[in-house]
Amino acid sequence: KQEVTQIPAALSVPEGENLVLNCSFTDSAIYNLQWFRQDPGKGLTSLLLIQSSQREQTSGRLNASLDKSSGRSTLYIAASQPGDSATYLCAVSGAGSYQLTFGKGTKLSVIP
Amino acid sequence: DGGITQSPKYLFRKEGQNVTLSCEQNLNHDAMYWYRQDPGQGLRLIYYSQIVNDFQKGDIAEGYSVSREKKESFPLTVTSAQKNPTAFYLCASSIGSNLYGYTFGSGTRLTVV
Repeated sequence: KQEVTQIPAALSVPEGENLVLNCSFTDSAIYNLQWFRQDPGKGLTSLLLIQSSQREQTSGRLNASLDKSSGRSTLYIAASQPGDSATYLCAVSGAGSYQLTFGKGTKLSVIP
Repeated sequence: DGGITQSPKYLFRKEGQNVTLSCEQNLNHDAMYWYRQDPGQGLRLIYYSQIVNDFQKGDIAEGYSVSREKKESFPLTVTSAQKNPTAFYLCASSIGSNLYGYTFGSGTRLTVV
């Protein structure tokens, strides 16, 4: 059964720092990997989607990488801002399956 | 704008009562999903539907029921058999192959009173 782990569980950084969030998964036979953002009491907002054949995706200050063979993905946030404060969730979709398996998330606080 | 609408935003249930959470999408997605989110835990799949009039149990289906009579709608009923229903419920959708990932609604917070 696929398991997804996100480290660290919480992270606090000063504004302007570059930071990396980590995601690991146990079964490398994935279809794609998706990073989401969740604000308190809100739904999930999709940030980046990486197909299994891709190595990275970029959107603005965000860059996500995927190393399928080692079961790892990283989300890089450049020049962090207080508005980036949220919980970031990583989820993988298995080959032949529509279902997503989620990590428990990393709660990010960016201090002004 | 295309998206997923969940209603109500907040819902209160008395002991022994069934309640239904609404989920509507106008994205023309084939597949729809219900997830439950509890503090300190990842999202857990309750039910999913790949096409109209068909649905499958997820990891925690006991005490829940669904229907998929229309492509746009996937309501979730929390029955009295669900002993710990207080949670945040999230509905999502994707195209049939999940090629473009999931889109989520804004969630319904259910509280037992």
